[in-house]
Amino acid sequence: EDQVTQSPEALRLQEGESSSLNCSYTVSGLRGLFWYRQDPGKGPEFLFTLYSAGEEKEKERLKATLTKKESFLHITAPKPEDSATYLCALLIYNQGGKLIFGQGTELSVKP
Amino acid sequence: NAGVMQNPRHLVRRRGQEARLRCSPVKGHSHVYWYRQLPEEGLKFMVYLQKENIIDESGMPKERFSAEFPKEGPSILRIQQVVRGDSAAYFCASSPGQESYNEQFFGPGTRLTVL
Repeated sequence: EDQVTQSPEALRLQEGESSSLNCSYTVSGLRGLFWYRQDPGKGPEFLFTLYSAGEEKEKERLKATLTKKESFLHITAPKPEDSATYLCALLIYNQGGKLIFGQGTELSVKP
Repeated sequence: NAGVMQNPRHLVRRRGQEARLRCSPVKGHSHVYWYRQLPEEGLKFMVYLQKENIIDESGMPKERFSAEFPKEGPSILRIQQVVRGDSAAYFCASSPGQESYNEQFFGPGTRLTVL
């Protein structure tokens, strides 16, 4: 069965304290892995897509990496405005266009 | 350059009534997806549509729920005879085309409350 697990469920950081969020998966055939950010009361906001092991993408303080079993979202010197829930989602071969989402990591960055 | 638009943003219905949720995709996008986020749960896929076609409805409850994406106008998610368990946030996403692995862009959601 295709599964995606995010850890930790919640993460509290001080401003400037770098850390990483994890998304581990077991799937039959991965077409793509997506990272989204979701603020309370809003829809998910697209951040990155990763397609193959070894791929990395960066955007401001965020860097996403992918291996054959997991993806990391690294946050460097976070700011309070980075506080949000970060969602990992999988696109799998032979399952059409649907995304399979993890439960998310709720990040809180205190000044 | 509008993104995905959903309306209404908030919808209150009494048990047994019908709920209609609308989604206008990004201009030029021909693929629409509906997801549901129940309280304290993650986003779950419901249905995938292209213009005038349902491509995948494997996540849609068998009864009371239906979806369409007509040639003209927004995509509609319809819930008949709503029950309290239907209370959730419903998100629509759109993409230009599945085959090119394009990203799905989400709307702000419709929050349905069933009294």
